[in-house]
Amino acid sequence: GQQLNQSPQSMFIQEGEDVSMNCTSSSIFNTWLWYKQDPGEGPVLLIALYKAGELTSNGRLTAQFGITRKDSFLNISASIPSDVGIYFCAGRSNTGKLIFGQGTTLQVKP
Amino acid sequence: EAGVAQSPRYKIIEKRQSVAFWCNPISGHATLYWYQQILGQGPKLLIQFQNNGVVDDSQLPKDRFSAERLKGVDSTLKIQPAKLEDSAVYLCASSRLSGTGNYGYTFGSGTRLTVV
Repeated sequence: GQQLNQSPQSMFIQEGEDVSMNCTSSSIFNTWLWYKQDPGEGPVLLIALYKAGELTSNGRLTAQFGITRKDSFLNISASIPSDVGIYFCAGRSNTGKLIFGQGTTLQVKP
Repeated sequence: EAGVAQSPRYKIIEKRQSVAFWCNPISGHATLYWYQQILGQGPKLLIQFQNNGVVDDSQLPKDRFSAERLKGVDSTLKIQPAKLEDSAVYLCASSRLSGTGNYGYTFGSGTRLTVV
């Protein structure tokens, strides 16, 4: 079946540092999504990407949809303590089904 | 707008017992999804409904899991009998009719199931 490989698995950084994580797939997706999940909550959408090559920003977050449609990355600039959580990439099929990566756990030291 | 409502938030059962989870999607959302999230992993789709019809249940363990959405609104997911490996968070999500663009795909807070 379709699989997404997300890396790194975890990151421990200092407040103010920039963060980068990426996701690769064995299959092509027409939509890439990045979610953040806090403990005890469901995933919350951060950024959605709909076109190959698209670069989209949401505040301190920037994400890109790879031109091969098999990869995406997420950057967080000037990290703050509330950025702590688990970040997931997801590819969306034409039926709406989401295929998730394994997640990147981010910890920020004040 | 109100979010996706799920209940209960937590459930502890013994193996071989039965359990049911309930989901009420965002009003007007035709598509409803149930995902299973095992600790340390990303969510995995179990079943997808469009109104009250099943679109995708290819990863639903049908020998023990069942789901219904009789009136095309709220939905229940049942496990009977439960196994230890069913311990996970069960997430419900809903969206408007799927397509390109932002279609309001929203997750609930989930039900955390522990099977002992």
